Amino acid sequence: QVQLQQSGPGLVKPSQTLSLTCAISGDSVSSNSATWNWIRQSPSRGLEWLGRTYLRSKWYNDYAPSVRSRITINPDTSKNQFSLQLNFVSPEDTAVYYCARRGAATLDYWGQGTLVTVSS
Amino acid sequence: DIVMTQSPESLAVSLGERATFNCKSSQSVLYSSDNKNYLAWYQQKPGQPPKLLIYWASTRESGLPDRFSGSGSGTDFTLTISSLQAEDVAVYYCLQYYSTPWTFGQGTKVEIK
Repeated sequence: QVQLQQSGPGLVKPSQTLSLTCAISGDSVSSNSATWNWIRQSPSRGLEWLGRTYLRSKWYNDYAPSVRSRITINPDTSKNQFSLQLNFVSPEDTAVYYCARRGAATLDYWGQGTLVTVSS
Repeated sequence: DIVMTQSPESLAVSLGERATFNCKSSQSVLYSSDNKNYLAWYQQKPGQPPKLLIYWASTRESGLPDRFSGSGSGTDFTLTISSLQAEDVAVYYCLQYYSTPWTFGQGTKVEIK
């Protein structure tokens, strides 16, 4: 059974960097079939896919255009986890952030969610 | 980006009755090389992450009650709950995973009448 456990601060000041981590059990971040994703949810923007990281013969990343200039998703093979960094946050980045695995078809396992509030 | 539009925004159905709601994509999510629709349905209850119900537009996730079914192809899709149960009260989302950025519909809220 795959489990994803999120960690990270729930409060970030404007213009600073949001950092979250998603620890994986029951699968590997180095899987050659899965992809590892971040999604957020807010009342104003709904569910929004932010990006992914995955290993095929090398590491790849894809990011949503809405955040491409500010986002980094990195795998950490030593800890079997992956992370999200979102730079220069504003109150519009306040949301519940989820990590999720794409398995054989689509997003099948999700983390528990982390409410991140951007406020001074 | 592919825009996903769900209708209706909310739906009130009596227990045991059928609930049907729709999802329309701004372009086809049918991939010609494998003849699969890259469309999934999720159920979300308050305080929980979305739960995968249906993928490839009509394949039920393991353990999903058979009162849930998905249909459609190309740009028009439907999720049907054949006999609504109290535990089905939730918001339902569609997701296209045909091309990045993957995009979700805005959701349909299902309530008991």
